[in-house]
Amino acid sequence: QLQLQESGPGLVKPSETLSLTCTVSGGSISSSSYYWGWIRQPPGKGLEWIGSIYYSGSTYYNPSLKSRVTISVDTSKNQFSLKLSSVTAADTAVYYCARCITMVRGVILNWFDPWGQGTLVTVSS
Amino acid sequence: AIQLTQSPSSLSASVGDRVTITCRASQGISSALAWYQQKPGKAPKLLIYDASSLESGVPSRFSGSGSGTDFTLTISSLQPEDFATYYCQQFNNYPVTFGGGTKVEIK
Repeated sequence: QLQLQESGPGLVKPSETLSLTCTVSGGSISSSSYYWGWIRQPPGKGLEWIGSIYYSGSTYYNPSLKSRVTISVDTSKNQFSLKLSSVTAADTAVYYCARCITMVRGVILNWFDPWGQGTLVTVSS
Repeated sequence: AIQLTQSPSSLSASVGDRVTITCRASQGISSALAWYQQKPGKAPKLLIYDASSLESGVPSRFSGSGSGTDFTLTISSLQPEDFATYYCQQFNNYPVTFGGGTKVEIK
């Protein structure tokens, strides 16, 4: 079945750029039925959608993070990536990648399933 | 952005109890709502989509209802494996948003 796996540094210094990659296995990232997204969860807190990307490169970002976020896709490697610039301690969180069902009754971004296991990124000097 | 308010934020219940969790949207979202279950140290797991559609493989004791601004997740008979935190998510409006979560604890 489809699996997603996040990878990247677990520690990032303040003001630097957080970079994570999500590798998709058991299915193609180039499916027309899905977007691919990043969601984060600060320790002990709730979930925040960061952004989503289609295999063609079309992106949607959360307006609260848009100025600092870049999501890209590499269909040859079946991967998509997240870059978050100018990080602070407030960006410390578990970062999840997930598949997002698209174009249900004309809605581009729908629910997320499945999710990767998540990776903790700590912002600290 | 649409705000989703879940209530209660936590509850204590016993095995076999009927449990109801509410999610209220700050404006109408039709039936564009999903529910997730998250256990400690694990990723969220999809339970319900389109407000009332049960995801494949999810036990039938879970059910969802509602439309517009008021939604509920019901567990008809709480099982030991159901103790977790539950989140709602709306996808009717950009940006996608999540509720604050409801933690279901053992009484």
